[in-house]
Amino acid sequence: DIQMTQSPSSLSASVGDRVTITCRASQSISRYLNWYQERPGKAPKLLIYVASVLQSGVPSRFSGSGSGTDFSLTISSLQPEDFATYYCQQTYGIPRTFGQGTKLEIK
Amino acid sequence: QVQLVQSGAEVKGPGASVKVSCKASGYSFTTYGFSWVRQAPGHGLEWMGWISPKNGNTKYAQKVQDRVTMTTDTSTSTVYMELRSLRSDDTALYYCARENGGAIIYFDYWGQGSLVTVSS
Repeated sequence: DIQMTQSPSSLSASVGDRVTITCRASQSISRYLNWYQERPGKAPKLLIYVASVLQSGVPSRFSGSGSGTDFSLTISSLQPEDFATYYCQQTYGIPRTFGQGTKLEIK
Repeated sequence: QVQLVQSGAEVKGPGASVKVSCKASGYSFTTYGFSWVRQAPGHGLEWMGWISPKNGNTKYAQKVQDRVTMTTDTSTSTVYMELRSLRSDDTALYYCARENGGAIIYFDYWGQGSLVTVSS
């Protein structure tokens, strides 16, 4: 199985900050990497697919980059609604594994 | 608009089975596959498997493959996930997710989740 490792596991930041979350795959996954946001009590929401393509309706302050084994999700200017947990997911192979999540908290 | 509506919460004893449903609407049902993802309390997301409503093909995670069966009913646009021989560590929120397939795969719509509690 392809293992996905996110860092950090948790992060404290303030409204307006720029934050970056990283995700590393245990083997090359090309660009088959998605990012999801999970707010408490809500289902996960797709933010970015194939590493850098913004899902329709997602604000442009979210961006993704990377290929191979190393990827990142950047939020350029944090808004109050962005405080949530973020997961990366690889879809290069089966099982379609997720990272362990990064919890973004208000400082 | 696309909607995935899941069945309600269930409480089951160890060794029992549970069948969770996910009814899709707002698009052509057989065009997209479905994955099931679960989240144990305080834990992350775990992919369980995938099914194609077009032909019934399935792929299961090794961890559950001996205990899980995913099926579809195209007449009602509903996907089902049955998990047998339940254990306490199967207690989780179970999600269905529409899988935009082909070469580029992502989960663009999710159900609201169905809580399954395994307790004696």
